[in-house]
Amino acid sequence: DAGVTQSPTHLIKTRGQQVTLRCSPKSGHDTVSWYQQALGQGPQFIFQYYEEEERQRGNFPDRFSGHQFPNYSSELNVNALLLGDSALYLCASSLGGGRYGYTFGSGTRLTVV
Amino acid sequence: AQRVTQPEKLLSVFKGAPVELKCNYSYSGSPELFWYVQYSRQRLQLLLRHISRESIKGFTADLNKGETSFHLKKPFAQEEDSAMYYCALSDASKLTFGTGTRLQVTL
Repeated sequence: DAGVTQSPTHLIKTRGQQVTLRCSPKSGHDTVSWYQQALGQGPQFIFQYYEEEERQRGNFPDRFSGHQFPNYSSELNVNALLLGDSALYLCASSLGGGRYGYTFGSGTRLTVV
Repeated sequence: AQRVTQPEKLLSVFKGAPVELKCNYSYSGSPELFWYVQYSRQRLQLLLRHISRESIKGFTADLNKGETSFHLKKPFAQEEDSAMYYCALSDASKLTFGTGTRLQVTL
């Protein structure tokens, strides 16, 4: 079991561009959550997807959007990139919510220049 | 709003010394609390959760609702314990993390 896989591992984008990050959940998990981790900070919740719908959203602007596919994999899209969007983006999968904990991927390091 | 506070950015202890990583939380409901650990160049991984009351790698954590704390403890630190530790609170649909404490175990 490969656990949670994220792609790409690193990405450099220019301000104003758009980016798509991808996540495949751990086998058997049906819920995917996305987190943003800025340098020196703990991960911040962006949103969670379950049954292909956004179930809950953190305090992030509409420039951040996502999608979950029937195979439970997920994408995170960020439009009109700002320098402040530079961070490590983590995907976490779980089963039916997070009561028993989440399994995290290694993350995608996004740098906006 | 829920909040998790880890007051120490860095905790440095000698090998064999006791370890206590502090975590306080603010939450109006019945909290579910976790400790996650991130070793150098590895992904964030679950260390323990309060509902299971288990001991992992010698670490334990007790939920104290009166003091709203969930401190992580280990009686004797090992070199391999050096890592970043995050306390997190779950409301069943998201995790709220603290800012983390770096534990440094020296000889």
